[in-house]
Amino acid sequence: AQSVTQLDSHVSVSEGTPVLLRCNYSSSYSPSLFWYVQHPNKGLQLLLKYTSAATLVKGINGFEAEFKKSETSFHLTKPSAHMSDAAEYFCVVSAATGRRALTFGSGTRLQVQP
Amino acid sequence: EAQVTQNPRYLITVTGKKLTVTCSHNMNHEYMSWYRQDPGLGLRQIYYSMNVEVTDKGDVPEGYKVSRKEKRNFPLILESPSPNQTSLYFCASSLTFSTSTDTQYFGPGTRLTVL
Repeated sequence: AQSVTQLDSHVSVSEGTPVLLRCNYSSSYSPSLFWYVQHPNKGLQLLLKYTSAATLVKGINGFEAEFKKSETSFHLTKPSAHMSDAAEYFCVVSAATGRRALTFGSGTRLQVQP
Repeated sequence: EAQVTQNPRYLITVTGKKLTVTCSHNMNHEYMSWYRQDPGLGLRQIYYSMNVEVTDKGDVPEGYKVSRKEKRNFPLILESPSPNQTSLYFCASSLTFSTSTDTQYFGPGTRLTVL
């Protein structure tokens, strides 16, 4: 079984300040982990993914995430928020076996203040 | 350009009136799946298909049917829609069933309201 917990349903930051979106996971297998972004009235876009290579993963638009097995965490960060980063972010885990479903967290809505 | 399309994008219907939401990709993708998105719950898988004529239930299959007669198409069928199926639906596809490595491409979503 696998699950994902996004620790904050809403995060508000000022433009130019760092972003931290927190995600903890549990998985019976070696997991693959993803962050997706959903802008208002849009579909989902892959930001980055971890698939057992480097633990620090760089994604698009300046985002990165670090896989920490000991803490079962995969937090998403960005050094400096931009207004266009305002969106909903989903942490996702996938098992390497079984029906291969992606298990989504409940989402974190990022608000960026001017 | 890799693309997953869904139709319709918006649909308002009444309880019990059968409907179909279509999904197609323009890639050589074997794996396809349907998700529904509800506030505070993220996305939950309804059905998935590892290849043509191979489909199986996801986490929330009740009230839905699917078929996979062709590689490119994976329609979602609601035989008798009910208000609790009001949701935002996403179709996704990937090259193989290895969702842990293959990038999932998502469609733009279909917002369904059942009155």
